[in-house]
Amino acid sequence: EAQVTQNPRYLITVTGKKLTVTCSQNMNHEYMSWYRQDPGLGLRQIYYSMNVEVTDKGDVPEGYKVSRKEKRNFPLILESPSPNQTSLYFCASSTRTGGNYGYTFGSGTRLTVV
Amino acid sequence: SQQGEEDPQALSIQEGENATMNCSYKTSINNLQWYRQNSGRGLVHLILIRSNEREKHSGRLRVTLDTSKKSSSLLITASRAADTASYFCATHTGTASKLTFGTGTRLQVTL
Repeated sequence: EAQVTQNPRYLITVTGKKLTVTCSQNMNHEYMSWYRQDPGLGLRQIYYSMNVEVTDKGDVPEGYKVSRKEKRNFPLILESPSPNQTSLYFCASSTRTGGNYGYTFGSGTRLTVV
Repeated sequence: SQQGEEDPQALSIQEGENATMNCSYKTSINNLQWYRQNSGRGLVHLILIRSNEREKHSGRLRVTLDTSKKSSSLLITASRAADTASYFCATHTGTASKLTFGTGTRLQVTL
């Protein structure tokens, strides 16, 4: 089944403790992206990647890092999480350029930073 | 920065009725897409309409696009309880490497 897999689904952590949210897709998509979803603000893009070793900032990249060493994986790293990063996070992938085709989303990761 | 803005924010209808949601955007687009999100879950792509298209159908879904008014509408015909979800429009503009999402319309379909 074609899908984007995120882990974990839920995560509660403390301020400053580094964490990684994994994202993997099995559709051989070039484009991958991370979004966060907050009430009243909709979905905002954090980082995206056009292909292996090619990443760039989205609208809200502060406090996040990403890497794209393999085509299928696009982990989101929070080096020193803070409470304002409490949010619902989504990984998405798409064939070719980001926006000309529909996105496939993961099921989401609900992160709480205390 | 939000490009799309859905209207209404919330909509409650009975099963069998039609549901219409609207999306307005600010700048010229390459395409506009509609997604569905069940409570707290990932978004599911429903339909994509390109800037040179005016109407598109997919099953019970009908999407229209009016580029002169910078607006789109999503019509769900003969709604079912399973259609209860939030619906988002998303726009792709210029050479941007992303979709920009609105804040969504929450649809409740009651029996």
